[in-house]
Amino acid sequence: GAVVSQHPSRVICKSGTSVKIECRSLDFQATTMFWYRQFPKKSLMLMATSNEGSKATYEQGVEKDKFLINHASLTLSTLTVTSAHPEDSSFYICSARVPGGSYYNEQFFGPGTRLTVL
Amino acid sequence: GNSVTQMEGPVTLSEEAFLTINCTYTATGYPSLFWYVQYPGEGLQLLLKATKADDKGSNKGFEATYRKETTSFHLEKGSVQVSDSAVYFCALSGGTNAGKSTFGDGTTLTVKP
Repeated sequence: GAVVSQHPSRVICKSGTSVKIECRSLDFQATTMFWYRQFPKKSLMLMATSNEGSKATYEQGVEKDKFLINHASLTLSTLTVTSAHPEDSSFYICSARVPGGSYYNEQFFGPGTRLTVL
Repeated sequence: GNSVTQMEGPVTLSEEAFLTINCTYTATGYPSLFWYVQYPGEGLQLLLKATKADDKGSNKGFEATYRKETTSFHLEKGSVQVSDSAVYFCALSGGTNAGKSTFGDGTTLTVKP
């Protein structure tokens, strides 16, 4: 199957700093990637859809200036949490779609990034 | 819009017990249905999927059948093991909301020896 990696897996930062999380598709090209946020004991909340070469589409209620998404290549999307605060602490998960073929409609998930803001 | 409703947890079973986690969905069009499993501190792993009505997805002893008439995709396993303890998410993707996935709230399963 298709493999998606995330880096870093865990990050601790001070309040007010910015943190960048990378999501890479390792063995396929992903024109579309998704960013999710997961609160403890909760389901995944879709934050935004990242399309290669164009602006990300944010879900209602997600601050686009707070969560900057860049999908600069077919294998890399980044999420930057700007001026992070403790309430931004969460588990962030990315996923990527494999266009067409036997993986139609399927998303492959990265292992997640645990962000802790002190 | 699309929605997924799955059985509330937590679910606690003894080893070798039968497992059912109910999942129903609302969607227009012809979505694909998925079950994902999440172990503590990890991302989501695809457990099984079904892409059309009456398809049965299966993996590692788990099964689920895409029932369009009842809009359901219940997860079953005949004999659970302690290692099956995890959070299980039902999800759909496609239909008229092509590309995005919609997740249920997750069901925590604990299997005791």
